[in-house]
Amino acid sequence: KNEVEQSPQNLTAQEGEFITINCSYSVGISALHWLQQHPGGGIVSLFMLSSGKKKHGRLIATINIQEKHSSLHITASHPRDSAVYICAVVRNTDKLIFGTGTRLQVFP
Amino acid sequence: EPEVTQTPSHQVTQMGQEVILRCVPISNHLYFYWYRQILGQKVEFLVSFYNNEISEKSEIFDDQFSVERPDGSNFTLKIRSTKLEDSAMYFCASSEALQGQYGYTFGSGTRLTVV
Repeated sequence: KNEVEQSPQNLTAQEGEFITINCSYSVGISALHWLQQHPGGGIVSLFMLSSGKKKHGRLIATINIQEKHSSLHITASHPRDSAVYICAVVRNTDKLIFGTGTRLQVFP
Repeated sequence: EPEVTQTPSHQVTQMGQEVILRCVPISNHLYFYWYRQILGQKVEFLVSFYNNEISEKSEIFDDQFSVERPDGSNFTLKIRSTKLEDSAMYFCASSEALQGQYGYTFGSGTRLTVV
């Protein structure tokens, strides 16, 4: 069983829609990261969360430690948001444990 | 904005050959990592490196793999005798603080194809 599960696996949206991507994890963590992987393969770090909520532009990330759950929201989605969004957790060591990713396509 | 630089972007090698993947982490970062992603699969941890030594390695990182920081700027991953199943995208990453407290910066990856 994967320690980090994401849903949905694939998501399509029309431009302007509000997007939610979910991440659940089954282990104790010290932090959770949301990352974006572009079609060419490059990975960009979006957020690091250990509690509460963070916002950057149109992106909002929340985490509920008790429920072992995090969400990534995109407001007013745009075709340039099309990418794979990955949830990854850090436990008591220094390595990231990755989820399988959510492939998002936003159509004009 | 500072970047992690990886070279080459794509390498094709014969099975059994040695390959060296190169990375230049961000200059003030102290923690360095290699990850890999087999096509269609999730990203997997290979090794972390701090203070000139390996701090953690995964089961994947067997005796065929080694890492080095030979000159204080480059961080290399060597695969001694490549196998077909080593074909993957290899990502180097660095961070300023332990557990990516201020985030991780990833390179754009090296796509390794073993034929």
